[in-house]
Amino acid sequence: QKEVEQDPGPLSVPEGAIVSLNCTYSNSAFQYFMWYRQYSRKGPELLMYTYSSGNKEDGRFTAQVDKSSKYISLFIRDSQPSDSATYLCAMSAGDYKLSFGAGTTVTVRA
Amino acid sequence: DAGVIQSPRHEVTEMGQEVTLRCKPISGHDYLFWYRQTMMRGLELLIYFNNNVPIDDSGMPEDRFSAKMPNASFSTLKIQPSEPRDSAVYFCASSFEGVQETQYFGPGTRLLVL
Repeated sequence: QKEVEQDPGPLSVPEGAIVSLNCTYSNSAFQYFMWYRQYSRKGPELLMYTYSSGNKEDGRFTAQVDKSSKYISLFIRDSQPSDSATYLCAMSAGDYKLSFGAGTTVTVRA
Repeated sequence: DAGVIQSPRHEVTEMGQEVTLRCKPISGHDYLFWYRQTMMRGLELLIYFNNNVPIDDSGMPEDRFSAKMPNASFSTLKIQPSEPRDSAVYFCASSFEGVQETQYFGPGTRLLVL
C-alpha cells in the first residue's frame, strides 16, 4: 500500500463548477500538507500548504486537512479552463522529504 | 529570478550510455532535491542536499545512480550505465532552510533510454 493515495481521475467538469480533490495517507507523522499544480510538460508548482489540521483559503482555492481521518482535500470554486492541470497532493513529516500522491488530472470544459 | 534551471531539457540515449543531468538551484536556497516522475510510480524523491551535503539518498534506485553538488549553484545526477527503465522525467527542486513546504521545481529533463 502506498503512503499517499490519490485517485488519478481523470476528472472533467464544466466551467464554473466546483472541483473537489482529495488524498488519504497512512503515515501519522505527516504534519505538512501541500497541493501542487502541474501543467502538461512543466514542473509542479506549489498551490497551497497547510500545517497540521484545519482549513486554509486562498482566493478560489480551499485546502482542508483532517488528521484524525488522515484525509486532505482541495476545492476549486468557479473553475476556469486555465485550471486544467494535474493536481498533486504532497506530505511531509518535517524532514524535507515530500511524499506525493499519483496526481489527479482535471479538465475544465469551456 | 530565473528559477531552477535544468539541462538538457530532453535527452535520448542508448542503453549502456552514461547520462548526466544538470541543475542550477535558485540563488540563496539551502536545499536541493532530485525527483523522478513516471506514469507507474509518480513523483519520487531520489536524493536531497543541504548546503551542498547529501542528506538522504535512500530514494536512489541503484548504484548506477549518483548525484553530486560541488557548490551551491550546481548539481548533477548521473546514470551509468543507463537502462530503458530509467526513462522518465527528472526534476530538480530547491528551497530555503525552514520553508520545506515551498519547493520550487525546475522544468525537468525528459530522458528516453532506447
